[in-house]
Amino acid sequence: DAGVIQSPRHEVTEMGQEVTLRCKPISGHNSLFWYRQTMMRGLELLIYFNNNVPIDDSGMPEDRFSAKMPNASFSTLKIQPSEPRDSAVYFCASRLQGAPEAFFGQGTRLTVV
Amino acid sequence: KNEVEQSPQNLTAQEEEFITINCSYSVGISALHWLQQHPGGGIVSLFMLSSGKKKHGRLIATINIQEKHSSLHITASHPRDSAVYICAVEANTDKLIFGTGTRLQVFP
Repeated sequence: DAGVIQSPRHEVTEMGQEVTLRCKPISGHNSLFWYRQTMMRGLELLIYFNNNVPIDDSGMPEDRFSAKMPNASFSTLKIQPSEPRDSAVYFCASRLQGAPEAFFGQGTRLTVV
Repeated sequence: KNEVEQSPQNLTAQEEEFITINCSYSVGISALHWLQQHPGGGIVSLFMLSSGKKKHGRLIATINIQEKHSSLHITASHPRDSAVYICAVEANTDKLIFGTGTRLQVFP
């Protein structure tokens, strides 16, 4: 398996534009997590899904952020409209529910100018 | 106060030194994870602990549930161990609460 695949790896966009980040979890994993990492706040959980259903989105900063998981092999994190303070590295991770190890994607480095 | 505290924040060491990174937490947990983030940004899961001690190569992780404390030890450190080490706890859900990380640099 290729691991958790995120795209794009880097994204630079102008303030106000819509940004969509994509994640393909490891096949068979039924839990998927979106994290954000910044220098100021470190790693933070934004939202996680079990069996494609959002379980906890309390970490989503505000209504500009939305996440979907239309099927077991794909998830998106959308920011609309984007703001400079959204600049961060966004990680997706997947896990077999109850298993010890979570596997992280390489991250998407987002810069909003 | 953060629910998960790591110390030190930054650590430099000479090759072959024994290294200890500490993690304290203030919530009830079902498990604790140690993660490694390489300079390129990739994150790798090193250990998941719910009690006792685990060893993998030169890495040893211990946890004391009563004291709400975990340590990550690296024996015979090497420059390739240079990375950010992150402690994260599972507070009885699948959700991870992260420490701020310890940046380790090992010099030859």
